[in-house]
Amino acid sequence: GAGVSQSPSNKVTEKGKDVELRCDPISGHTALYWYRQRLGQGLEFLIYFQGNSAPDKSGLPSDRFSAERTGESVSTLTIQRTQQEDSAVYLCASSLSLDRIAGPRVYGYTFGSGTRLTVV
Amino acid sequence: RKEVEQDPGPFNVPEGATVAFNCTYSNSASQSFFWYRQDCRKEPKLLMSVYSSGNEDGRFTAQLNRASQYISLLIRDSKLSDSATYLCVVPGFQKLVFGTGTRLLVSP
Repeated sequence: GAGVSQSPSNKVTEKGKDVELRCDPISGHTALYWYRQRLGQGLEFLIYFQGNSAPDKSGLPSDRFSAERTGESVSTLTIQRTQQEDSAVYLCASSLSLDRIAGPRVYGYTFGSGTRLTVV
Repeated sequence: RKEVEQDPGPFNVPEGATVAFNCTYSNSASQSFFWYRQDCRKEPKLLMSVYSSGNEDGRFTAQLNRASQYISLLIRDSKLSDSATYLCVVPGFQKLVFGTGTRLLVSP
């Protein structure tokens, strides 16, 4: 597509429920990233995909968080048993990767407009 | 030392002013850098890339000082529409590392 698409744009859920967030990257972008941004805070790295493999899961805050990616397209971030501290904007970004390291360094990222998650 | 550090601001400047932000980074091996702009409740958007000593795009100039490990962003003739948070971005291992941002407020 023309840009990175995320859905839903807003999600309100009750504490303890599971949620699934979706990201559709720019066509041809092999690298995909998930970040979280709490209100008034900076971007917090969650996970990175190169193709459908995730070499860096270091940012996932707990085992309630998981992510997967189908080939070099859609990715889903799943949060199980949501807690109030999970409330944030979840941003997805994609980039070209000529190789696993050069891509984001050369081209930067293109972000989606995010999913605003509110846990009540 | 944090991977990337920025003064959070806010920087309050009148229209037409020149303003500069600095950003320091810890990884001396970093090669390319970025400035992103983030408007309130919006996603970050790429503003400029910096690969060598600097880059200029209209009213915006980004400079890189490798010896001192800092990047700067200069905005000339500030407009009201420049009000935003400016994020300094440094390459980490297989991902970009974002600073927490410097907030700019341009007033009439």
